[in-house]
Amino acid sequence: QKEVEQDPGPLSVPEGAIVSLNCTYSNSAFQYFMWYRQYSRKGPELLMYTYSSGNKEDGRFTAQVDKSSKYISLFIRDSQPSDSATYLCAMSGGSYIPTFGRGTSLIVHP
Amino acid sequence: GAGVSQSPRYKVAKRGRDVALRCDSISGHVTLYWYRQTLGQGSEVLTYSQSDAQRDKSGRPSGRFSAERPERSVSTLKIQRTEQGDSAVYLCASSLGASWGGGDYEQYFGPGTRLTVT
Repeated sequence: QKEVEQDPGPLSVPEGAIVSLNCTYSNSAFQYFMWYRQYSRKGPELLMYTYSSGNKEDGRFTAQVDKSSKYISLFIRDSQPSDSATYLCAMSGGSYIPTFGRGTSLIVHP
Repeated sequence: GAGVSQSPRYKVAKRGRDVALRCDSISGHVTLYWYRQTLGQGSEVLTYSQSDAQRDKSGRPSGRFSAERPERSVSTLKIQRTEQGDSAVYLCASSLGASWGGGDYEQYFGPGTRLTVT
């Protein structure tokens, strides 16, 4: 079992839908949680960063961390075709080397 | 400003040959990372360095992988005796600092080099 599990999808939604992306993990030491977005033929870029449990909102994006369930989520409201990309979760226990999920491919169709 | 760049963007190598991949990181960034990205395994760190010291991720990879940092903002990943299983996208990333929680954690990624071993 991998330390971080993420469904690769693809997840296909209509424009305007609310998207929910999730990851589960097994390492209790993880306390820094990140979401990256990766467009085709580009490198990942950091979207959201959360420390420990709780919610964090940034525009149309909301990141949630539930440490008791070892479950993190990224919600995208009013999804746009430009949101079509692969979304990677990553987490760290305090070292600067994050463990990444496999990524979920999201397709938002007009 | 200039971000992280990698060259070449695409590389085809015959099995058994050595390859070298270059990364130009952001000026002033201290920590530099190399990742291997595949559909099956996702993104795995291969090695990282803080300033001039190079550290390998324990257990991965094998001795065929090494990285050099001839200049503070330049790194070269070398793969010896390539195998078909080395076919992947190799990502370079850099960060301003070397620790989390201080706001200098963010890793900036290059576009990657797609390596195909035939």
